[in-house]
Amino acid sequence: DTEVTQTPKHLVMGMTNKKSLKCEQHMGHRAMYWYKQKAKKPPELMFVYSYEKLSINESVPSRFSPECPNSSLLNLHLHALQPEDSALYLCASSQARQGGETQYFGPGTRLLVL
Amino acid sequence: DAKTTQPPSMDCAEGRAANLPCNHSTISGNEYVYWYRQIHSQGPQYIIHGLKNNETNEMASLIITEDRKSSTLILPHATLRDTAVYYCIVSNYGGATNKLIFGTGTLLAVQP
Repeated sequence: DTEVTQTPKHLVMGMTNKKSLKCEQHMGHRAMYWYKQKAKKPPELMFVYSYEKLSINESVPSRFSPECPNSSLLNLHLHALQPEDSALYLCASSQARQGGETQYFGPGTRLLVL
Repeated sequence: DAKTTQPPSMDCAEGRAANLPCNHSTISGNEYVYWYRQIHSQGPQYIIHGLKNNETNEMASLIITEDRKSSTLILPHATLRDTAVYYCIVSNYGGATNKLIFGTGTLLAVQP
């Protein structure tokens, strides 16, 4: 199983709402990632978790709050978002191995902030 | 900033080989070259990676020049389903995590 699943597929929220995005993998990977992708732009790294600990935060605003409850699950909690936060949010996972490593991406959650 | 330069778009006839170039003139000795692709509205998909030797798998071949300053991804028999944005990325092998910095990529359009 080389699948990363993300829920929901689509999300519409108002600027005062609180919502969460969920990502799950069952490949035994110990690194998990959140990326943000605006329309017609490449993905941009937001957060990296390694062994369930936050290892990289790419200066993401605090209205985005990541959480890694266990090695298979990654959440992104959203609060007081702005319309410019509308984007495709991608989750990925990877397992360190000799000779480079591969990140497996989920299909993404398409978020619209009104 | 991304460390790679790719042409913004390329066309390829179905059934022919697609050769996608990438310049990475500032690559350092411990950085790998990775290729991912993103089909419209889907998550990126890993294709292949290499350090200095040429690599081949079931999807593609990766040719890295001897000085490692450029590489070419080869899709041997392109199909319509290969139409996608192809990203060339250089990145350190950093243990349990691997920070991928995506550039703007090449939009490959496979024509029937």
